[in-house]
Amino acid sequence: QAQLVESGGGLVRPGGALRLSCAASGFTFRNSYMSWVRQAPGKGLECVAYISDTGSRRYYADSVKDRFTISRDNDNESVYLHMSSLRAEDTAVYYCTRAPFRVVGPFFDKWGQGTLVAVSS
Amino acid sequence: EIVLTQSPGTLSLSRGERATLSCRASQSVRSNYLAWYQQKPGQAPRLLIYNASSRGTGIPDRFSGSGSGTDFSLTISRLEPEDFAVYYCQQYGSSPLTFGGGTKVEIK
Repeated sequence: QAQLVESGGGLVRPGGALRLSCAASGFTFRNSYMSWVRQAPGKGLECVAYISDTGSRRYYADSVKDRFTISRDNDNESVYLHMSSLRAEDTAVYYCTRAPFRVVGPFFDKWGQGTLVAVSS
Repeated sequence: EIVLTQSPGTLSLSRGERATLSCRASQSVRSNYLAWYQQKPGQAPRLLIYNASSRGTGIPDRFSGSGSGTDFSLTISRLEPEDFAVYYCQQYGSSPLTFGGGTKVEIK
């Protein structure tokens, strides 16, 4: 069955950088769009980025544009989120998801367990 | 940007009762590209419904989705103990993708 395992979260100072990783298994990764969805403590959900199966198409939420970069390695069945210029408002649990794409955007049918990113001095 | 408004904010019901959750969009959702997710405390969300009315893999048939255009609903026909959770809707017919603020279904 499909499995997604995130790693790389932790405590970082404002202005710092962090790279999240997600290892996928149990499905055809190279044919799948992938995304990162975050949830601030006690708040709702926000898709911050997604990437197409080949990596040629990438989407970013306005809140992270020019600060976050999503990438993937199909040979190693992994997706990454490089985060820089981090702010307190980026504090959240970050979920890696599989993201079936429909014309304009995806929904999210498989989720990892999440990794916590805390931005604080 | 399409704003999704979920109501009610909290729904207090008993086991075995029927739950109806609403998700209203500020503009029509293209091709009814609307999904519903369930989230329990300390867990990742789980996909319940996509394309407004198609159940995700392994989702019990007591969960059903309906609606079109700007008005969508998630119905749980008979609440089981494991159904008490927070439910979110999400549209993927327009960019940016957006989620509703959630409805909490709690035990009365």
